Amino acid sequence: EVQLVQSGAEVKKPGESLKISCKASGYSFTKYWIAWVRQMPGKGLEWMGIIYAGDSETTYSPSFQGQVTISADTSITTAYLQWNSLKASDTAMYYCARQVTGNYAQNWFDLWGQGTLVTVSS
Amino acid sequence: DIQMTQSPSSLSASVGDRVTITCRASQSISTYLNWYQQKAGKAPKVLIYGSSSLQSGVPSRFSGSGSGTDFTLTIGSLQPEDFATYYCQQSYSSPQVFGGGTKVEIK
Repeated sequence: EVQLVQSGAEVKKPGESLKISCKASGYSFTKYWIAWVRQMPGKGLEWMGIIYAGDSETTYSPSFQGQVTISADTSITTAYLQWNSLKASDTAMYYCARQVTGNYAQNWFDLWGQGTLVTVSS
Repeated sequence: DIQMTQSPSSLSASVGDRVTITCRASQSISTYLNWYQQKAGKAPKVLIYGSSSLQSGVPSRFSGSGSGTDFTLTIGSLQPEDFATYYCQQSYSSPQVFGGGTKVEIK
């Protein structure tokens, strides 16, 4: 089955580090981009950044550049989102999503993980 | 960054109604516009890509149109399972910004 399975919910304190994962299966991992999307409580979707699993080329939104690190491990077909020092404002649901490319270089997210809830509280 | 503005932010409609949601880009994005549906507590799901192409498995009552800066998502006859929040997303350039969302509620 083609799917993205994310790691479980996390509860952390401000200043702590965290790495959440997105395990891909059922397709050729290195042929696709994987994006991370944030959804703060009761709010909309925010595109954080994207990684090409084949060569780890990464692009970040300016809003998230320097705040998080996106990486991928092709040996275990897993993408990651990492923080070095969490803040309370990082409390949100985080989704990974696979980007597909169609005709005329159209891109869209056709496959989503179930989400990882990150709670940062002292 | 390209800004995406959706309207309305919420609407109330009845089963069987025709519903239209609009999305405006701050600059031309050709047809690089996608629509997603998100139900409460669930991950988003793509409905329309490339402004007007229906994703496989999505009911034909969903349709999209537009190019340049103005886009529309139409639900031809609203069904009970369509009550959800809808987001547009531009895929013209990074960051691939989403619109603020439109919550479709039961009247």
